[in-house]
Amino acid sequence: EPEVTQTPSHQVTQMGQEVILRCVPISNHLYFYWYRQILGQKVEFLVSFYNNEISEKSEIFDDQFSVERPDGSNFTLKIRSTKLEDSAMYFCASSELLRGVYEQYFGPGTRLTVT
Amino acid sequence: AQRVTQPEKLLSVFKGAPVELKCNYSYSGSPELFWYVQYSRQRLQLLLRHISRESIKGFTADLNKGETSFHLKKPFAQEEDSAMYYCALSQEGGKLIFGQGTELSVKP
Repeated sequence: EPEVTQTPSHQVTQMGQEVILRCVPISNHLYFYWYRQILGQKVEFLVSFYNNEISEKSEIFDDQFSVERPDGSNFTLKIRSTKLEDSAMYFCASSELLRGVYEQYFGPGTRLTVT
Repeated sequence: AQRVTQPEKLLSVFKGAPVELKCNYSYSGSPELFWYVQYSRQRLQLLLRHISRESIKGFTADLNKGETSFHLKKPFAQEEDSAMYYCALSQEGGKLIFGQGTELSVKP
């Protein structure tokens, strides 16, 4: 069964550094998402992406964040200058639209630790 | 504002006991609701979607628009059901709003 994959599984970075989190969505899916989960808190929506552009973004997704689909398979989340509060699990998800419903399938997550 | 509430952080039951994980939502439109499960050190997995009215691994969930609830139920809990369970509401465009999650612990 096809799965969403994410790399790396764990990233440690220093405050102020740029990080790129990578995701390979399920191949026939057209809708892509990033979520994050700070330890002990709920899973929060960051951004959705369709047809090579952002469909929607949350207030968390400020100018420090960007997403890209650089080729036909990868979907990346970049944080330009990381802050301590960016430490979280970052989940990528992809979906197709079936009978009006987006069923999202999640990757295993990347644990980002900012020191 | 759209919101999903799971009032219990932890639910502990014995094997064979019935389970009900509560989920309430606040949404102005016609909601699309899901339950996701996360087993220890694994990814979030789609468990149920309200639109298909199915039973997966013995779990069912009924959308009650009057009570704005989508509680997850299973008549006889198994130890392998121990996991984090998240209720989620899908908005237009697919954005998911998650509840806080309920940790289900099934004791032998």
